[in-house]
Amino acid sequence: DAGVIQSPRHEVTEMGQEVTLRCKPISGHNSLFWYRQTMMRGLELLIYFNNNVPIDDSGMPEDRFSAKMPNASFSTLKIQPSEPRDSAVYFCASTVGLGTQYFGPGTRLLVL
Amino acid sequence: GIQVEQSPPDLILQEGANSTLRCNFSDSVNNLQWFHQNPWGQLINLFYIPSGTKQNGRLSATTVATERYSLLYISSSQTTDSGVYFCAGEEGETSGSRLTFGEGTQLTVNP
Repeated sequence: DAGVIQSPRHEVTEMGQEVTLRCKPISGHNSLFWYRQTMMRGLELLIYFNNNVPIDDSGMPEDRFSAKMPNASFSTLKIQPSEPRDSAVYFCASTVGLGTQYFGPGTRLLVL
Repeated sequence: GIQVEQSPPDLILQEGANSTLRCNFSDSVNNLQWFHQNPWGQLINLFYIPSGTKQNGRLSATTVATERYSLLYISSSQTTDSGVYFCAGEEGETSGSRLTFGEGTQLTVNP
């Protein structure tokens, strides 16, 4: 299995631009999670989906952030407009049931 | 939400030494997982251990759910064990619920 796939791996953009992060979960997994990691706040859950339905988006920082999961094999996290404080590593993870969460390699985002 | 405390925050070892990392939870958790984040940033799941003891090579983990803590043992440490070790607990009773992470233990193993 290829594992969780994320793209792009690195993204540098200017403040105000739209950023779209992509994730392909492991085939057969029915839950997908988006996390953000920063030095100040550590690893924090932004949103998770179960069977393509958003279950808990209470971790999404503000309306500039949105996430979709149109099908079982693809999810996006969008930031519009981006701000320098959004700079972080964004991880996607997937799992089946209550089991082990498998993380993707992450996307390093830098907003100038 | 639950609070997750990890100790120690930093640990420096000489290659070959053993160590114990601890994770305390403020409330009951349904599930518990240990992760290793390597120096390249990749998060690798080490154990899914809601209770009991598991072993995988030089690593083992024990969770005492009734006392809300978990321990990760690293024996005969190697330089490749360096990185940050996180524990995380899941709340809720349905599948795919929230995972709350501790702040991690930064482990450095010197040759």
